[in-house]
Amino acid sequence: DAKTTQPPSMDCAEGRAANLPCNHSTISGNEYVYWYRQIHSQGPQYIIHGLKNNETNEMASLIITEDRKSSTLILPHATLRDTAVYYCIVRSGGTSYGKLTFGQGTILTVHP
Amino acid sequence: NAGVTQTPKFQVLKTGQSMTLQCAQDMNHEYMSWYRQDPGMGLRLIHYSVGAGITDQGEVPNGYNVSRSTTEDFPLRLLSAAPSQTSVYFCARPEHFTGSANTEAFFGQGTRLTVV
Repeated sequence: DAKTTQPPSMDCAEGRAANLPCNHSTISGNEYVYWYRQIHSQGPQYIIHGLKNNETNEMASLIITEDRKSSTLILPHATLRDTAVYYCIVRSGGTSYGKLTFGQGTILTVHP
Repeated sequence: NAGVTQTPKFQVLKTGQSMTLQCAQDMNHEYMSWYRQDPGMGLRLIHYSVGAGITDQGEVPNGYNVSRSTTEDFPLRLLSAAPSQTSVYFCARPEHFTGSANTEAFFGQGTRLTVV
């Protein structure tokens, strides 16, 4: 699976959009971009995933560049409860057998 | 988290003791995994299973055993606990990707283990 690079920390004001970047310059054609988050001491929570098209669900939007070498997770209206560590993971399609490789992630702090 | 139950939530062991971390899922899913998370680090895969009777090693399997006698249960055993195994352990029903659909992963709430 391709390696990802994320900033170690970011801040965001409550009510504003939080834009979390992820670089995955070695991504290959069959690899998907996944985002998870981990709120303090809890198990990771799936947010969204995509291959090459932009994706949106009730939690967030995922913007993937045309060359697929980077992506941005967007939380449109961040709340204090969105304070968490956000992980960007790239892995191939098919059956993963649960082999998600979590890096260091980005610590997002949402402040009032 | 819905569908994955871990017990206990907290445990303190002495070096050399053994114990079993329990994990149960109620979703009849084939795949289950165990991760550990150390301070300042991401999750690392210990063992995983793709079905009853089938298990395999992950990134950090040493010191741990698993079994999968039923689809529902996936216990993690520490045969002789060491201080290096002090960590937070997460059981997960991993994502199941079929190419056209995806079942998102569900993680348990974690077991905080301290080995003294």
